[in-house]
Amino acid sequence: KNQVEQSPQSLIILEGKNCTLQCNYTVSPFSNLRWYKQDTGRGPVSLTIMTFSENTKSNGRYTATLDADTKQSSLHITASQLSDSASYICVVSARVANFGNEKLTFGTGTRLTIIP
Amino acid sequence: DAGITQSPRHKVTETGTPVTLRCHQTENHRYMYWYRQDPGHGLRLIHYSYGVKDTDKGEVSDGYSVSRSKTEDFLLTLESATSSQTSVYFCAISVWEGGTGELFFGEGSRLTVL
Repeated sequence: KNQVEQSPQSLIILEGKNCTLQCNYTVSPFSNLRWYKQDTGRGPVSLTIMTFSENTKSNGRYTATLDADTKQSSLHITASQLSDSASYICVVSARVANFGNEKLTFGTGTRLTIIP
Repeated sequence: DAGITQSPRHKVTETGTPVTLRCHQTENHRYMYWYRQDPGHGLRLIHYSYGVKDTDKGEVSDGYSVSRSKTEDFLLTLESATSSQTSVYFCAISVWEGGTGELFFGEGSRLTVL
């Protein structure tokens, strides 16, 4: 069974500090890994998408890493801001036969709170 | 902004009543999805569509039906709502680039079944 596990479940840090969120997965056959940010009461918004051949990808202050051998990913947030308070969801895609239909497995997310 | 609008955004209904949620997109993307989000669970796929009148089941499709009579609209229907269907429902579309479909989500529809 495909699974995505995220840790920690929740995290509280001071504004300006860095933090790292973790994602472990057992999804096969692997296609890509995504990180989404979900503000309270809003839909998820894509931060990064990484394929098998990519081991790091940045989007502003967000840097995602992927180790396909150990099936682990991390999302590092640098110099956190109050607006970074949100849930961060790791999503892993499995390749399927039909082009256009990737099978996605969603993690339950890490709830990040930035305090001033 | 992928031009996705969900309606209604909030709805309270009673057990046994029918409910229809609407997802409207403005950019004619082929693939559309309905997910539900519940505490302690990742987003779970209910149904998806790969074109007009072309739909298929996701992992939690029991109790739900969908229809897509126009490219821009994807409807999710609960024929007889139950309390276990209290959830936040998200519509999404896929935008394909380089062999990967990036998902764009709507703002969600919060449904409470009493």
